Amino acid sequence: GEDVEQSLFLSVREGDSSVINCTYTDSSSTYLYWYKQEPGAGLQLLTYIFSNMDMKQDQRLTVLLNKKDKHLSLRIADTQTGDSAIYFCAEIGQAGTALIFGKGTTLSVSS
Amino acid sequence: GAVVSQHPSWVICKSGTSVKIECRSLDFQATTMFWYRQFPKQSLMLMATSNEGSKATYEQGVEKDKFLINHASLTLSTLTVTSAHPEDSSFYICSAREVWRGLVEQYFGPGTRLTVT
Repeated sequence: GEDVEQSLFLSVREGDSSVINCTYTDSSSTYLYWYKQEPGAGLQLLTYIFSNMDMKQDQRLTVLLNKKDKHLSLRIADTQTGDSAIYFCAEIGQAGTALIFGKGTTLSVSS
Repeated sequence: GAVVSQHPSWVICKSGTSVKIECRSLDFQATTMFWYRQFPKQSLMLMATSNEGSKATYEQGVEKDKFLINHASLTLSTLTVTSAHPEDSSFYICSAREVWRGLVEQYFGPGTRLTVT
């Protein structure tokens, strides 16, 4: 079945870059997403990448997709304390199905 | 990005009562809405997929008679937790999908914290 895996924790210092990794199993995924969840809040769509792209950059965020290895990463440049949150990667599996989420990576940023 | 609202943001109810949660897409029409449940420090678990004007499709293990979903319009879906019990206490998050020029974007509401006493 479809599965999305993420490392659970990442700790960085303010100003450093953060890289959050994700692997997925469904080769038919058309879109892959990154969401951010702050404590007690819903999910905020950060960015997404279409499966025929290798990279997408949006301000401090860079998404890299290695479709051959089914590996997705999110790089946050110049990480700030406000970036501390849980980051979920997600994929849309077969057409029309709901998002399949990873367990989330808790990013902790220290000053 | 598009906005999805949920109401209420938190609710406390007594065991045996029913609770209705509303999910609205504020600036777009969503033919498909999803309901998720999230336990503390865990990922989101899909409960059901709701298409406007038709019956919801429930995931395996989700009781359709307990979690009633109505998607009456392109901007509103409701989840009613019937005869709630303490084990139903959770964070419920709705999501609305927008398809625009072939792009699929899915936006989430802020969540509803349900506590059943």
